[in-house]
Amino acid sequence: QKEVEQNSGPLSVPEGAIASLNCTYSDRGSQSFFWYRQYSGKSPELIMFIYSNGDKEDGRFTAQLNKASQYVSLLIRDSQPSDSATYLCAAITGGGNKLTFGTGTQLKVEL
Amino acid sequence: DTEVTQTPKHLVMGMTNKKSLKCEQHMGHRAMYWYKQKAKKPPELMFVYSYEKLSINESVPSRFSPECPNSSLLNLHLHALQPEDSALYLCASSQDHYEQYFGPGTRLTVT
Repeated sequence: QKEVEQNSGPLSVPEGAIASLNCTYSDRGSQSFFWYRQYSGKSPELIMFIYSNGDKEDGRFTAQLNKASQYVSLLIRDSQPSDSATYLCAAITGGGNKLTFGTGTQLKVEL
Repeated sequence: DTEVTQTPKHLVMGMTNKKSLKCEQHMGHRAMYWYKQKAKKPPELMFVYSYEKLSINESVPSRFSPECPNSSLLNLHLHALQPEDSALYLCASSQDHYEQYFGPGTRLTVT
């Protein structure tokens, strides 16, 4: 079982819709979770982090964490074509100084 | 400011060459990282420096040699690489191993 799992996609949503990206993790000791956005040919960009159960909102982005279910999600409201990218879920594992990535979900926002 | 800089942006080298990748951050972060990323894969951790000391080496071949001259700089020395080492090499930094901020990367091609 991979430590951090995501569906590879592609996930296609129409412009203006809500995109929902999901991630599960296996290490119950993980406490810190991150979402990175990566455009093709570019480096990952940190867009959200969440450490506590519940929701955390930042602009059009909402991160959700459920430690009991070992589940992290990212909601993107009012999706725009510029949101089309690969979204990487990551968790701190291995005792606290290693960031483990999921394989990423490709999001396509269609006009 | 969350800027991490990397030079060069692109590098082409032969299998007998010696070259170095450079990374710099001025955010006062005490942890710095090297990752390798192949196309359509997530970043793979190579090395972690914490307070200028190597704390993680993910069983990376000795043809890759990291160096941390001071708290702002991180180098990756390359020697006798193989074509399969061609990838995007990413540097990242963080304060206390939480949010990691990536540089733009060096696109390496080994011929």
